[in-house]
Amino acid sequence: GEDVEQSLFLSVREGDSSVINCTYTDSSSTYLYWYKQEPGAGLQLLTYIFSNMDMKQDQRLTVLLNKKDKHLSLRIADTQTGDSAIYFCAEMGAAGNKLTFGGGTRVLVKP
Amino acid sequence: GAVVSQHPSRVICKSGTSVKIECRSLDFQATTMFWYRQFPKQSLMLMATSNEGSKATYEQGVEKDKFLINHASLTLSTLTVTSAHPEDSSFYICSARGTGVLTDTQYFGPGTRLTVL
Repeated sequence: GEDVEQSLFLSVREGDSSVINCTYTDSSSTYLYWYKQEPGAGLQLLTYIFSNMDMKQDQRLTVLLNKKDKHLSLRIADTQTGDSAIYFCAEMGAAGNKLTFGGGTRVLVKP
Repeated sequence: GAVVSQHPSRVICKSGTSVKIECRSLDFQATTMFWYRQFPKQSLMLMATSNEGSKATYEQGVEKDKFLINHASLTLSTLTVTSAHPEDSSFYICSARGTGVLTDTQYFGPGTRLTVL
C-alpha cells in the first residue's frame, strides 16, 4: 500500500520559522493536506495543495511540493507557542476515496 | 463553515456493553463519512467509509459486526461499538466530506475518547 513518512519531533524557538517535512510514495496523488491536532482534539485542516502546484502560501503557512521527489513541506513563519501541536500530512490518491496519513510530527515551541 | 461535531466527547463504560458515537456535519451535507481510530501517540487508522444510504465499507481487519456504522442521513453517521472490551479503548474520530465545501476534502470532528473498564 501507499506510505507517508514524517519525522517524529521538531523543537523550535518562539519567533523562529518551523519546517515540517513529509515524503510519500503514491505517484498518483491528487491532493496533499496538512492537518493540526492539539491534545485531546480532532484534526484541524490547515492547508492543502493540488498535486500540480509547487507552492502555496496562506498567511504564516507556506507549503512546498516537489512532485518529482515526492516531498512535501510545511513552513510556519514566526512560530508561536499556540503552534505547539502534532502536524499530520496526508495524501489522497487518484481514486479519491481515502486519505493516507503520515505518523505525525510533534512540534514543540519554546519561549 | 465545514464544522463536524461528535457526541459524546468522552465515554466510560463497562466491559460487555455497547456504546454509540454520533458524528454530525453541522453546516454542509456529508455524502461520505469516515471513521478512524487513534491510539496514543500514533497516527489515524481508517476503520470504515460510509456513503449516505449505503452499507459501510470496512478496512481489512476491522470487524463489521463489532463496529456497526449507520449513515442514514446526509448529516449524521453513527458508530456503535458492540460488546465493548478494554482493548476497544481508544480515541475515535470521524470525518466528513460532501457538497458545499472543498471538493474531496475531509473535515474532522473533535473525537470521542472511549474507555472500557
